[in-house]
Amino acid sequence: GDSVTQMEGPVTLSEEAFLTINCTYTATGYPSLFWYVQYPGEGLQLLLKATKADDKGSNKGFEATYRKETTSFHLEKGSVQVSDSAVYFCAVQAGGYQKVTFGIGTKLQVIP
Amino acid sequence: EPEVTQTPSHQVTQMGQEVILRCVPISNHLYFYWYRQILGQKVEFLVSFYNNEISEKSEIFDDQFSVERPDGSNFTLKIRSTKLEDSAMYFCASDEGSLANYGYTFGSGTRLTVV
Repeated sequence: GDSVTQMEGPVTLSEEAFLTINCTYTATGYPSLFWYVQYPGEGLQLLLKATKADDKGSNKGFEATYRKETTSFHLEKGSVQVSDSAVYFCAVQAGGYQKVTFGIGTKLQVIP
Repeated sequence: EPEVTQTPSHQVTQMGQEVILRCVPISNHLYFYWYRQILGQKVEFLVSFYNNEISEKSEIFDDQFSVERPDGSNFTLKIRSTKLEDSAMYFCASDEGSLANYGYTFGSGTRLTVV
């Protein structure tokens, strides 16, 4: 079945530091890839997505590029803020309407 | 922006009791899902629902679980006889069913505590 491997946290960064959270996946066919964010005490919010190879998803300064050759979808942000502190989940969906498989989540803590 | 609404936000129940978690998906969405997240662990798929029937379920979703869309707007998850290990955050999600694959919209979750 589908699976997602992402780096385990917690990741602690100073404000304005560069962020990378690695994510690799296994899935059949041409899956869609997602990053979800969960702020403390809240639900899951879709942060960004990419639906085909070489697509770049972006939102709120975060970016991730769908790399089929390396089966990766690493999340990056050039300058993190304290308000970015949250848990970030990489996820894969094999096809439309099918279940989404999540990684374990990476907790990011940004300190002033 | 349209939202998926879940109630209650927190439910405490005694082991062995039945519990019903409620969700109101986005009105024009066609696909509905339940996921759960045990504290500090990954988000796990439970069940998907389309056209008034289950389209896929995980091994977690055993005979103690059931889902229903009783009135065309609500989507419920019932646990017949709760166990301590059912304590988790339960998320409902809906999908409009477009081939553009926009990704799910999740509710804010119901925290279920079984004591």
